[in-house]
Amino acid sequence: GPKVLQIPSHQIIDMGQMVTLNCDPVSNHLYFYWYKQILGQQMEFLVNFYNGKVMEKSKLFKDQFSVERPDGSYFTLKIQPTALEDSAVYFCASSPDWGGSYEQYFGPGTRLTVL
Amino acid sequence: GDSVTQTEGLVTVTEGLPVKLNCTYQTTYLTIAFFWYVQYLNEAPQVLLKSSTDNKRTEHQGFHATLHKSSSSFHLQKSSAQLSDSALYYCALRENTGYQNFYFGKGTSLTVIP
Repeated sequence: GPKVLQIPSHQIIDMGQMVTLNCDPVSNHLYFYWYKQILGQQMEFLVNFYNGKVMEKSKLFKDQFSVERPDGSYFTLKIQPTALEDSAVYFCASSPDWGGSYEQYFGPGTRLTVL
Repeated sequence: GDSVTQTEGLVTVTEGLPVKLNCTYQTTYLTIAFFWYVQYLNEAPQVLLKSSTDNKRTEHQGFHATLHKSSSSFHLQKSSAQLSDSALYYCALRENTGYQNFYFGKGTSLTVIP
């Protein structure tokens, strides 16, 4: 089936530094999402992105977070500066154009550790 | 806005017995589809079931769910739980709006014991 890729799979970074998480969504998908999952907890929505714009974001999407997808390349989540509470697994997801019962396809996640 | 409620955070069931995971929702928009996602340990969530038709039973991998718009529910059931069913299960709905938002419940952790 369709695959969403995430790079890197693991990232360790010192608090205060910047980190960029990369997502390679399914090629014909148009909607992109980031979710955060702290170890042992449920997955929580961060942001929804379409046509170069943030459509909706949750309260977890702090001012230090930003997303972009320049020229159809990776869909990225940037955190600057990072904080200890940013340690989590971040899942990227994508879905096709609206219409029908299309589901989201999730990537394998990037495990971010902030020291 | 829309919301999805999964009342049980943890469910433990003995292998071979039936299991039911509850999901109810609230929506202010014309919601297009409902999903159950399953997340196995250290893996990404993947869709298990989906439905957009009222009162129609959907089945996959021994699980089934029926969307009941009259009661705003989309419960997940299986007649005989297997050890391999142990996982985290999310109920979700997808809006039929330009935002294409997906709303996930908090998840139910299912543990099947021998």
